[in-house]
Amino acid sequence: EIVLTQSPGTLSLSPGERATLSCRASQSVSSSYLAWYQQKSGQAPRLLIYGASSRATGIPDRFSGSGSGTDFTLTISRLEPEDFAVYYCQQYGNSPRTFGQGTKVEIK
Amino acid sequence: QVQLVQSGAEVKKPGASVKISCKASGYTFTTFHMHWVRQAPGQGLEWMGIISPSDGSISYAQKFQGRVSMTRDTSTSTVYMDLSSLRFEDTAVYYCARGRDSSTSWDAFEIWGQGTIVTVSS
Repeated sequence: EIVLTQSPGTLSLSPGERATLSCRASQSVSSSYLAWYQQKSGQAPRLLIYGASSRATGIPDRFSGSGSGTDFTLTISRLEPEDFAVYYCQQYGNSPRTFGQGTKVEIK
Repeated sequence: QVQLVQSGAEVKKPGASVKISCKASGYTFTTFHMHWVRQAPGQGLEWMGIISPSDGSISYAQKFQGRVSMTRDTSTSTVYMDLSSLRFEDTAVYYCARGRDSSTSWDAFEIWGQGTIVTVSS
């Protein structure tokens, strides 16, 4: 099983600032089958990024993903008020599909 | 529009079973694999398994082998997830989720149901 470790656990930032979230895998992720999701309280997760760097439909371009192998990054270039949420990475190239434990982005 | 609508909240006793439904609409049901994911209170996301609506083939996470069953009804465009021998730690929100690309089962989860709360309580 591929274990995904996200850091930091919590990120305290102000609107307009840049957010950088990390996801490290215990082994190489096949074909960059790495996704990022945003989840707000009481809601289902929302797909942001797939294939490590491709934005899902309707996702603003302030969200970007990068990385390969075992190290991946989600960057939010300028935080908007609606971006404060929990973010999960997921690998979907091996079974079982696994998720990181999440990074909470909170208002400073 | 594409949507997944799940059945309502359940309260079950330890040792019982629960069956959750997920009705798909807005697309051809048999062309996209469906996953089940759960989230315990205050915790992260946990993948439970996948079903192919076209042929019913399934793959379960080892953790749930022997306790979970995923089925589908093509006549109503509905997938089901049955979890047996419930324990207190099965208390969670259960989601169905559809892949993004119809050509593969190795795909990110683009469409999610609204979630079904299952509470296991004596």
